[in-house]
Amino acid sequence: DTGVSQNPRHKITKRGQNVTFRCDPISEHNRLYWYRQTLGQGPEFLTYFQNEAQLEKSRLLSDRFSAERPKGSFSTLEIQRTEQGDSAMYLCASSFDSGGADTQYFGPGTRLTVL
Amino acid sequence: GDSVTQMEGPVTLSEEAFLTINCTYTATGYPSLFWYVQYPGEGLQLLLKATKADDKGSNKGFEATYRKETTSFHLEKGSVQVSDSAVYFCALLRGGNKLTFGGGTRVLVKP
Repeated sequence: DTGVSQNPRHKITKRGQNVTFRCDPISEHNRLYWYRQTLGQGPEFLTYFQNEAQLEKSRLLSDRFSAERPKGSFSTLEIQRTEQGDSAMYLCASSFDSGGADTQYFGPGTRLTVL
Repeated sequence: GDSVTQMEGPVTLSEEAFLTINCTYTATGYPSLFWYVQYPGEGLQLLLKATKADDKGSNKGFEATYRKETTSFHLEKGSVQVSDSAVYFCALLRGGNKLTFGGGTRVLVKP
């Protein structure tokens, strides 16, 4: 069990550019989540997948954000036309849906800085 | 909507002191409650959890009891170490999908 991995760990971009982040969940986990964490705050939910289906999206996820999980394994989060307000840590988590209060395991995050 | 409120930090303690971090929540139904910890330079790790009223979660000397009557899940440790310096997050899970987090409490333990 290698844990949840995220790439890149850091991304610096200029306003208006597109960025894409990748998350590789724990292999047997069928649920995958994206959260955003700004400095000094707790993580906020963005979206989650059950296998390849995106089942819920937060209102925080504007139309500039898109997430995919094409084969029910890894996921990508793309931000188009980045804004300075998008600067944050983007966290990925995964869990196995057992029908109860499943523990979500978090990756190390991707820190995005928009200049 | 669901929300979690936890005491603001930083909390500064001496080694071997008693630690309490207060956490209260607002949610309909019967959420599950969690404490996550974030050590410097590392990702969020589950510390403990409780899934129903009066359950006590425990791990690494930390404990928290799910109190439905007071909608609370306070974290305690009897004797902290320098290695417990971290940011602690209280969170709730309702409906089995998204976690709702509090704002985090930074704890600094001095030798």
